[in-house]
Amino acid sequence: DGGITQSPKYLFRKEGQNVTLSCEQNLNHDAMYWYRQDPGQGLRLIYYSQIVNDFQKGDIAEGYSVSREKKESFPLTVTSAQKNPTAFYLCASSIEAHLGKSTGELFFGEGSRLTVL
Amino acid sequence: GENVEQHPSTLSVQEGDSAVIKCTYSDSASNYFPWYKQELGKRPQLIIDIRSNVGEKKDQRIAVTLNKTAKHFSLHITETQPEDSAVYFCAVPPLVFGTGTRLLVSP
Repeated sequence: DGGITQSPKYLFRKEGQNVTLSCEQNLNHDAMYWYRQDPGQGLRLIYYSQIVNDFQKGDIAEGYSVSREKKESFPLTVTSAQKNPTAFYLCASSIEAHLGKSTGELFFGEGSRLTVL
Repeated sequence: GENVEQHPSTLSVQEGDSAVIKCTYSDSASNYFPWYKQELGKRPQLIIDIRSNVGEKKDQRIAVTLNKTAKHFSLHITETQPEDSAVYFCAVPPLVFGTGTRLLVSP
């Protein structure tokens, strides 16, 4: 069954801790993305990767880090430098992207809800 | 950078009415314009998209129109049903999403 899987679904973090959100896809997509969604707001791009071993910052990259060592995996680390990390995080993939523009449908994971205690 | 404005932010209609949501974008190089539906606590799902070489696309009760000159595209839902109630987002992916329109369809 092809798709994009995020884990964990819910995560609680103490202040000062780093946490890593997992995102795995078996769609053979080149491009992967991380978005943050706050209540009642749209999606804001954190990081994206158009190809393995390469990634670019989005609008709100401060306090986050990513890696793209494998085509199917794009984990997001929320560091202690992110001052307001409580949010719903969505990972997505698309077949390809050129110069930062997606050329087709974005497939989203089910999301990870991070709460800072 | 790219900017997208989406209106209205909320829309309440009676079942059977039509609903229209409009997005305006700034980057004239954009050529792919999708609309996503997100139900509460769930992932966004693509409902319809359009590419810049066409002006309108329909899929049953849903249609999208594109005006490249004016740089706006609109989502049209006809014969609305209660299950259409959700938040709808336009996008100029992957960098920019609209702020969303909460559609409420009352029986």
